[in-house]
Amino acid sequence: GQQLNQSPQSMFIQEGEDVSMNCTSSSIFNTWLWYKQDPGEGPVLLIALYKAGELTSNGRLTAQFGITRKDSFLNISASIPSDVGIYFCAGPQGGSEKLVFGKGTKLTVNP
Amino acid sequence: ETGVTQSPTHLIKTRGQQVTLRCSSQSGHNTVSWYQQALGQGPQFIFQYYREEENGRGNFPPRFSGLQFPNYSSELNVNALELDDSALYLCASSLGYSPDTQYFGPGTRLTVL
Repeated sequence: GQQLNQSPQSMFIQEGEDVSMNCTSSSIFNTWLWYKQDPGEGPVLLIALYKAGELTSNGRLTAQFGITRKDSFLNISASIPSDVGIYFCAGPQGGSEKLVFGKGTKLTVNP
Repeated sequence: ETGVTQSPTHLIKTRGQQVTLRCSSQSGHNTVSWYQQALGQGPQFIFQYYREEENGRGNFPPRFSGLQFPNYSSELNVNALELDDSALYLCASSLGYSPDTQYFGPGTRLTVL
């Protein structure tokens, strides 16, 4: 089945720094989703992307749908301590209801 | 508006036992999806129920089964538990089966000894 590869696996940054992470696949996705998961909680949808080349923002978060449809990027500007958590990319496998997730990027923000 | 709730929060079982996990959908949602999240991994799709019928299944053996009730709440049943079944089990509800409208519950942490 389709697999999503996220990088980096973890990041340690200072408060105020910008963050970039990405997600790649060997297969084409028609939708890219970015989630954040806090400890003891379920994932929360941050941004949804539906079109190749699309750039979408949600506050300090910006995500892009790669033009090859095989990758996506998430950027966080001016990080703050509450940005700490695990960020997952995900997409529907074969356009179905089955959502495939990456392994996540763990973000630590030092005040 | 009530969010997605799951019970129990934590559960400890031994190998070979059976377990039932429960999920209450967000108000107005008719679709429930279940995921298994092993430590350090992303969630893996188990199956989805839409209007009480299974609407898709991931690569999980038949000992993983589910139900959806007329009020759209759902159960996940796992028989003959194995050590590798230890994980966080998440359910997500949505209106219809569009994955970008799924809201996740906090999960049930299952430990198999």
